[in-house]
Amino acid sequence: SSMLTQPPSVSVAPGQTARITCGGNNIGSKSVHWYQQKPGQAPVLVVYDDGDRPSGIPERFSGSNSGNTATLTISRVEAGDEAAYYCQVWDSGSFHCVFGTGTEVTVV
Amino acid sequence: EVQLVESGGGLVKPGGSLRLSCAASGFTFSSYTINWVRQAPGRGLEWVSSISTSGGYIYYADSVKGRFTISRDNAKNSLYLQMNSLRAEDTAVYYCARERVGELQGYYFDSWGQGTLVTVSS
Repeated sequence: SSMLTQPPSVSVAPGQTARITCGGNNIGSKSVHWYQQKPGQAPVLVVYDDGDRPSGIPERFSGSNSGNTATLTISRVEAGDEAAYYCQVWDSGSFHCVFGTGTEVTVV
Repeated sequence: EVQLVESGGGLVKPGGSLRLSCAASGFTFSSYTINWVRQAPGRGLEWVSSISTSGGYIYYADSVKGRFTISRDNAKNSLYLQMNSLRAEDTAVYYCARERVGELQGYYFDSWGQGTLVTVSS
């Protein structure tokens, strides 16, 4: 089944832009979804279908997907954005859901 | 309001069994595929299993296939995970999550429970 690789950590200053990548073989042909997870809490969906946002998620969160890399972009980063972020796809070949390795975003 | 509440976690010895439950409310449970996702302490998310609306389509991660059984009771708005032959590496917080299908035919999880901790240790 698919493997999705994310950088272990990303550091960003408040007000700047954080970009989190999710690498996978021909991931651009799949629909990618992103989750935010704060310590001790359940994951929360922040982007689905590559770049759509659920209701209640700020416009600062956006996504793109092409080739072998999907990207979650967080604009005008705030302290409250500090969390782990996971990408996810459904592998239709194996009928398995696959999560990325996860990225810890630190606001410094 | 959509709510998913897991229960049934606890301490179990290697080789033992445990049954997790997930109680759903605030939506038409029988209309949604539901999944189990787990997270070992300090680790990332790992998908475990999926069951379709009527239970006709069931999928498992390779790591649990043959040991875990997912089921649901739509009359009780409940999801279950029977876990047998438990191993230390099954230690994790287990979440149930509601599945949605996007316009691009991608499957994602729009609602999650708070999780229940399973610890496998002697």
